Amino acid sequence: EPEVTQTPSHQVTQMGQEVILRCVPISNHLYFYWYRQILGQKVEFLVSFYNNEISEKSEIFDDQFSVERPDGSNFTLKIRSTKLEDSAMYFCASSETVNSPLHFGNGTRLTVT
Amino acid sequence: AQSVTQLDSQVPVFEEAPVELRCNYSSSVSVYLFWYVQYPNQGLQLLLKYLSGSTLVKGINGFEAEFNKSQTSFHLRKPSVHISDTAEYFCAVSEMRGSQGNLIFGKGTKLSVKP
Repeated sequence: EPEVTQTPSHQVTQMGQEVILRCVPISNHLYFYWYRQILGQKVEFLVSFYNNEISEKSEIFDDQFSVERPDGSNFTLKIRSTKLEDSAMYFCASSETVNSPLHFGNGTRLTVT
Repeated sequence: AQSVTQLDSQVPVFEEAPVELRCNYSSSVSVYLFWYVQYPNQGLQLLLKYLSGSTLVKGINGFEAEFNKSQTSFHLRKPSVHISDTAEYFCAVSEMRGSQGNLIFGKGTKLSVKP
């Protein structure tokens, strides 16, 4: 069964550094999402992306965050200047249509020191 | 705004026993309801969803859930659990007028099945 793949599985970065989290959605999916889960807290919606633009974003997704689909297969989340509180598990997801179930990747654990 | 409450953070249960994981939600608009499961070191996998129609929804791995509009609940049940059901279970909602992709999650319930 096709999967959403995320790399790396664990990323450690220093405060203030830029970080890019990478995702390869399922190939025929058109809608892409990023969620995050701070340790011990809820999984939170960050952003949805369709047709090369952001379709919806949460309050968490401020100017420090950006998303991009640089080619036909990758979907990236960039954090420009990481803060300690950005430490979390980041999940990428994709869906075939706007009303199809989401398929999640295994996540990237980001640790900001 | 919507919110999801999972009252039990941990549920220990013996193998072959029944289990119910509770989920309550609040919303000013109509919502879709979902249960996701997360096995260790893996992503979230959809167990089942309620969009409309019959309030009893059957999902994968023998799980089912019942939508109760008057009690704003969507409890997850399994009549007989296996060791392999040990995982974290998340209840989630999304607005009917929006996409199913903007999910509001509960804090999760860790199900621990003991032999």
